[in-house]
Amino acid sequence: ETGVTQTPRHLVMGMTNKKSLKCEQHLGHNAMYWYKQSAKKPLELMFVYNFKEQTENNSVPSRFSPECPNSSHLFLHLHTLQPEDSALYLCASSQGVGSNQPQHFGDGTRLSIL
Amino acid sequence: GESVGLHLPTLSVQEGDNSIINCAYSNSASDYFIWYKQESGKGPQFIIDIRSNMDKRQGQRVTVLLNKTVKHLSLQIAATQPGDSAVYFCAENIGYISSGSARQLTFGSGTQLTVLP
Repeated sequence: ETGVTQTPRHLVMGMTNKKSLKCEQHLGHNAMYWYKQSAKKPLELMFVYNFKEQTENNSVPSRFSPECPNSSHLFLHLHTLQPEDSALYLCASSQGVGSNQPQHFGDGTRLSIL
Repeated sequence: GESVGLHLPTLSVQEGDNSIINCAYSNSASDYFIWYKQESGKGPQFIIDIRSNMDKRQGQRVTVLLNKTVKHLSLQIAATQPGDSAVYFCAENIGYISSGSARQLTFGSGTQLTVLP
């Protein structure tokens, strides 16, 4: 079992659809993150959760809605997305948000908006 | 303001040679740095990290060097193998996003390492 698991690996959706991305970490970490990775661009932080509480929303449009029911699971609910939202969405976890600890990533969900 | 790790976009090396991947940063307050490897179709994989109170740290076949004077970070890979072909990027911890919040990692855009047979 890998440390951070994301499903689905690929998702194609229309602009009017509603879908959810799922992330699960098996590392015992208490902080979880959503990142967006677009071609040729650095990773962009979207949301941060620490002990299930959202500690950061990095100016992300409301068509992205995160949910963190517990320290091991993180969701990203999607609705009425735009073509420019097509990207690789990466989930990460770390031992804490206040300490110098590496973030460990899943393999991402490749999202394509038609 | 935020700082961004800068990379040369591509690097090609012969199998068996040593690779050196460089990263420049501009925020002198950054105190923690990480190198990641990202293979095609996969997420970033942690390679090695270093804190600002160190100049060098070694792992298995990898060494990270930190030069705070010129704000430069490098990753050295010894005896490069075909499996090392990937995008490598550095990340720096630039401080707290907001009070009591997360310490934000800022990522560079990466260097594509290609290992030639």
